Amino acid sequence: TQLLEQSPQFLSIQEGENLTVYCNSSSVFSSLQWYRQEPGEGPVLLVTVVTGGEVKKLKRLTFQFGDARKDSSLHITAAQPGDTGLYLCAAEGSSNYKLTFGKGTLLTVNP
Amino acid sequence: DAGVIQSPRHEVTEMGQEVTLRCKPISGHDYLFWYRQTMMRGLELLIYFNNNVPIDDSGMPEDRFSAKMPNASFSTLKIQPSEPRDSAVYFCASSFSPTMDEQYFGPGTRLTVT
Repeated sequence: TQLLEQSPQFLSIQEGENLTVYCNSSSVFSSLQWYRQEPGEGPVLLVTVVTGGEVKKLKRLTFQFGDARKDSSLHITAAQPGDTGLYLCAAEGSSNYKLTFGKGTLLTVNP
Repeated sequence: DAGVIQSPRHEVTEMGQEVTLRCKPISGHDYLFWYRQTMMRGLELLIYFNNNVPIDDSGMPEDRFSAKMPNASFSTLKIQPSEPRDSAVYFCASSFSPTMDEQYFGPGTRLTVT
């Protein structure tokens, strides 16, 4: 069973700080997605990465897929209170056709 | 489009009662997913359908859980009988494909079994 480990589990920072959260596995991923979930809502897709070493930017968010396609990171520059939420990574294994989600990193950005 | 619609948003029931959760996917999406989210286990896939047919139900915890999709615009997840350990937020999601395309999640149903 593919297991996605996300770290840290909780992160509380001040507005304007930078941060990085991680998603790791011992398995190779066919693709990996990052979602953000706000309280009382369902997750919303931020990005999909499919190529080892790929870097994608979404405004102040930078997503990187590891060269071996086993890990990924999300870096946020100058965090804002609106970035507060649960950040989930999800991946498709090499031989199945469904997504497995990590438990997430709960980010709080204080004004 | 209104997005994925789930009802009810909150459900409180007593142990042993039957619970039915409902979902209307986004029109045109071929795939429908049911997930359960808890603090301990995170977001877990219970079952998914392709064109109304169940494809993978390996995540359904036990026989007390059942899911149906009688047509392209409606699905139900039923728990009978319910137990306190079933308390969780249940999400329905839909998409064009099982993995590569974005899954659009509903707002979830928060189930509390006392």
